[in-house]
Amino acid sequence: DAGVTQSPTHLIKTRGQQVTLRCSPKSGHDTVSWYQQALGQGPQFIFQYYEEEERQRGNFPDRFSGHQFPNYSSELNVNALLLGDSALYLCASSLEASRSGNTIYFGEGSWLTVV
Amino acid sequence: AQKVTQAQTEISVVEKEDVTLDCVYETRDTTYYLFWYKQPPSGELVFLIRRNSFDEQNEISGRYSWNFQKSTSSFNFTITASQVVDSAVYFCALRYQAGTALIFGKGTTLSVSS
Repeated sequence: DAGVTQSPTHLIKTRGQQVTLRCSPKSGHDTVSWYQQALGQGPQFIFQYYEEEERQRGNFPDRFSGHQFPNYSSELNVNALLLGDSALYLCASSLEASRSGNTIYFGEGSWLTVV
Repeated sequence: AQKVTQAQTEISVVEKEDVTLDCVYETRDTTYYLFWYKQPPSGELVFLIRRNSFDEQNEISGRYSWNFQKSTSSFNFTITASQVVDSAVYFCALRYQAGTALIFGKGTTLSVSS
């Protein structure tokens, strides 16, 4: 049973560029969330996708956008990259259809460096 | 407001010592969920435990145990007979409603030396 998988693992981008990160949820899960973790900090919630729609959003600018596909996989897009966007981006999946406090599983993350 | 506080930034112990990681949370909701995750240097957040607010039973899993006390809004994590492989950053997190985002503490870095 595959867990949450993310790609790419590491990438380096230049300020002003755009980046797309990808995530496949754990088998059987229907909800994907994205978190940003700056060095030395706890993860911060970006947004959550369920049934191909953004259901919740954290305190992040519109430069951060996402998408969920019919197979539940998801993409995180960041436009006009800033140096401060350098972080570990974590994808999390869960089964939310039952609306209970289900366990949330994380992938290994994508390390983004903006230079 | 929802908040998680992990007051211990770094803890260093020697192998076989017991260590307790503290977690204090704030929420006005009567139903909520608490989590502990382990983050090794690779970056992946490894799920350790989930506790529902209506279940105050403490739990033991091998060398790991958790003490949930609603009266003090604490959900502490104890590692018995620590090992070098326990070295990691440990995060406590709160989910105040089903379907909502996790709110993380800043983490506690545990270093276990041989």
